[in-house]
Amino acid sequence: AQTVTQSQPEMSVQEAETVTLSCTYDTSESDYYLFWYKQPPSRQMILVIRQEAYKQQNATENRFSVNFQKAAKSFSLKISDSQLGDAAMYFCAYRSKETSGSRLTFGEGTQLTVNP
Amino acid sequence: GAGVSQSPSNKVTEKGKDVELRCDPISGHTALYWYRQSLGQGLEFLIYFQGNSAPDKSGLPSDRFSAERTGGSVSTLTIQRTQQEDSAVYLCASSLRGGTGALNTEAFFGQGTRLTVV
Repeated sequence: AQTVTQSQPEMSVQEAETVTLSCTYDTSESDYYLFWYKQPPSRQMILVIRQEAYKQQNATENRFSVNFQKAAKSFSLKISDSQLGDAAMYFCAYRSKETSGSRLTFGEGTQLTVNP
Repeated sequence: GAGVSQSPSNKVTEKGKDVELRCDPISGHTALYWYRQSLGQGLEFLIYFQGNSAPDKSGLPSDRFSAERTGGSVSTLTIQRTQQEDSAVYLCASSLRGGTGALNTEAFFGQGTRLTVV
């Protein structure tokens, strides 16, 4: 079974600064998807960024980018030019590409605070 | 609708009562998932529906939990004889289909139902 670990329960960053959220995972599969989801107080999970394991290039979405280290099974999220609206709980998630219809496996989450 | 809709938004129930939580997925999405999020925790998979296939119930924590999906659309999660440890946010998600192709990977979530058992 796959597991996802987020070792930082809480992080804080000053507005306009850069912050990196850590995520490690364990799997025996060679191809899979990795995701970062944001959960604001409204509770709705919002997809921030996704990465396909076979792609060596790190995914980027505007101010959000990942550092995907497949051999180390590490998938960190970098938020540049942090904004107050970035404050939320962030979840790292894994999804198998080898099992049809497989579920997302989530980490425990990192609560991000953005200080003005 | 435009997004995944869940009702009720909040539910308070007495221990021992049965509750039903509803999820209305995005129109045309054949895959539907239920997750449970306990306070300060990550999301725990409960059950998965894909079209007319038999659901994957491997995440249901006990036989007090059940779910159905009628007509391949709306889903209801039922918890019988609720216990205090059932208190959590129950999140529903849907995706276009449950396969492994790139177009199928994004899951869209509802805002969840916060269940409080007193």
